[in-house]
Order: sequence, then structure tokens, then C-alpha cells
Amino acid sequence: NAGVTQTPKFQVLKTGQSMTLQCAQDMNHEYMSWYRQDPGMGLRLIHYSVGAGITDQGEVPNGYNVSRSTTEDFPLRLLSAAPSQTSVYFCATRRGQGDTEAFFGQGTRLTVV
Amino acid sequence: EDQVTQSPEALRLQEGESSSLNCSYTVSGLRGLFWYRQDPGKGPEFLFTLYSAGEEKEKERLKATLTKKESFLHITAPKPEDSATYLCAVIPGTYKYIFGTGTRLKVLA
Repeated sequence: NAGVTQTPKFQVLKTGQSMTLQCAQDMNHEYMSWYRQDPGMGLRLIHYSVGAGITDQGEVPNGYNVSRSTTEDFPLRLLSAAPSQTSVYFCATRRGQGDTEAFFGQGTRLTVV
Repeated sequence: EDQVTQSPEALRLQEGESSSLNCSYTVSGLRGLFWYRQDPGKGPEFLFTLYSAGEEKEKERLKATLTKKESFLHITAPKPEDSATYLCAVIPGTYKYIFGTGTRLKVLA
């Protein structure tokens, strides 16, 4: 039982490149979300999904796309990387949209040069 | 606007020196307040959920309390392994987590 698995753990991109951050869970949770964590800013919600086929924007969605074709996977796509997207990205799951605790992956540290 | 503020930003304690971390919040329709622990290079790990004013939860040296405007995480006789960043988060009526910026705790042996 791996929980929430994120890949890669580290990534360096050049400005303008695109890439996909992977998130997979084996907890059968309906609710999945992506956050970015920046110094002094706390965790900020990028996109979230309440189930397969349903996604919605969070607080800072610009420059990112998501899709949810299965319950297990929730990839985050950077369309054209910018230095402002340098951050640590966390995927998280919850049993449902309501008041339940979140389970986080180990994070992806992304640097855009 | 829904908001969560944690204080202090950083705290250094001697081993055995008890203290408290503060999380004050302004939200519409609080559905839950959460405390997480985050170690360097790792994702946050769940500690407690509090739902209503007056509620308390305990786990080893940690005790979380909740009032209508704030929550405290009390650390009793801390050990070096308690060193971490402690995050507070709330779920308001929108069902989306709102996180504070955290308190970095360092416990010295």
C-alpha cells in the first residue's frame, strides 16, 4: 500500500518547456488535488478533482492543466514552463470533498531556468 | 475573505521546554481545523482534526485545542525529534483547504 506516489522527485526545466508531473494513489479516494508550496506563501491549491472525469480550478490555476481519467491518477501538466513556476508541488488525496484529512505525496521539486 | 495566520514563524526550544503554537482563522462556515507536521523534503503528515470550539485532541507530547477564533498546538516537554514545520489548515464552506504558512520548530538537545 504505497498511498500517494509522485514522480519525478526533482526536475529542472528550461523556460518554455512542457512537462507532466505524475500523481498516483492506491487508496481509492475520490478527491485529489495539486498544491504548490513556496517560501512564506503556504500551500496553495492549483487544481482539484472530486472524481474521475471531473476537475476544477483552485486558487492559482494559470499555466497548469489537469485531467482525471481514472480514480487512481491525476497528472498535472505545465504547458510552457516559466521561472515563476519554480516551486515544490504536492499531490494530495481525501476520501471525499467534505471535512476529512488529506494524504500527501512526497512532493516534486521543480526548478525552471 | 477566508484566512489562516500562524505564529510564530519560527520557534527554538530547549529539550523539555514546553510551548504553544498559534493558528488564528477567519472563515465562513468552519467545517474543520487540521494540524499537519511537515519534515524537510517530505509531504505534510496529518496530526489532528478539530470540529467545534472547546474540542481537544492529544497525541504523545502534542495537544491541540480549538476556540471560535483560534487553535493552539501545545507541545509538552519536546524532544529533538519533534523538530519540524507545523501547518494549520481549515476547511470552510467551499470544502477547499486553506493553509497557514506554518511554524518552523527546532528543539535543541
